[in-house]
Amino acid sequence: DTAVSQTPKYLVTQMGNDKSIKCEQNLGHDTMYWYKQDSKKFLKIMFSYNNKELIINETVPNRFSPKSPDKAHLNLHINSLELGDSAVYFCASSQDGPGGYGYTFGSGTRLTVV
Amino acid sequence: AQSVTQLGSHVSVSEGALVLLRCNYSSSVPPYLFWYVQYPNQGLQLLLKYTSAATLVKGINGFEAEFKKSETSFHLTKPSAHMSDAAEYFCAVSNNNAGNMLTFGGGTRLMVKP
Repeated sequence: DTAVSQTPKYLVTQMGNDKSIKCEQNLGHDTMYWYKQDSKKFLKIMFSYNNKELIINETVPNRFSPKSPDKAHLNLHINSLELGDSAVYFCASSQDGPGGYGYTFGSGTRLTVV
Repeated sequence: AQSVTQLGSHVSVSEGALVLLRCNYSSSVPPYLFWYVQYPNQGLQLLLKYTSAATLVKGINGFEAEFKKSETSFHLTKPSAHMSDAAEYFCAVSNNNAGNMLTFGGGTRLMVKP
């Protein structure tokens, strides 16, 4: 059983379109994250949700909107896609409590905007 | 505030040689430190973590890392490189003041020559 699963794995779309990426975790974790990995492999946090509540919202264009229907799901919706949105997007989850648990990552969604 | 610096964006070793990947961190409180590995077109997999127990931490696939507070370092080593070790390696830090939020270094691409 996949612990953190993302769909789709690949997404190719035209500029201006709206798209969503879905993420689900079956680990019972309370906190979920979205990270963006750029072409140079740099990982930057975008959002963090704890038990459906937004707790981290980094400087991300408001075209990006996370939605957490329950603590096992964190979806990412992107409006009016731009060329610069092309990247790999990773979902992750972690346990609550003092730090040191680390994250469990999904396998990523490679978004290509043409 | 917390940050991670990985010295060397690319490291090349011969098969059977020592692997040394460098990581220095900055944290205002005692840190938790992690090494993740990313194989091509895959998500990030936890190699090992330091959570204030033993300073020498052993991980999967023969890797280990030593926490040195005086040097603010957490370098990753493996005595003998294998071709299958070729991947991108990420060092990351979190602390209790930041909850579980992980901050990643820029990554080091390890190449293993036959």
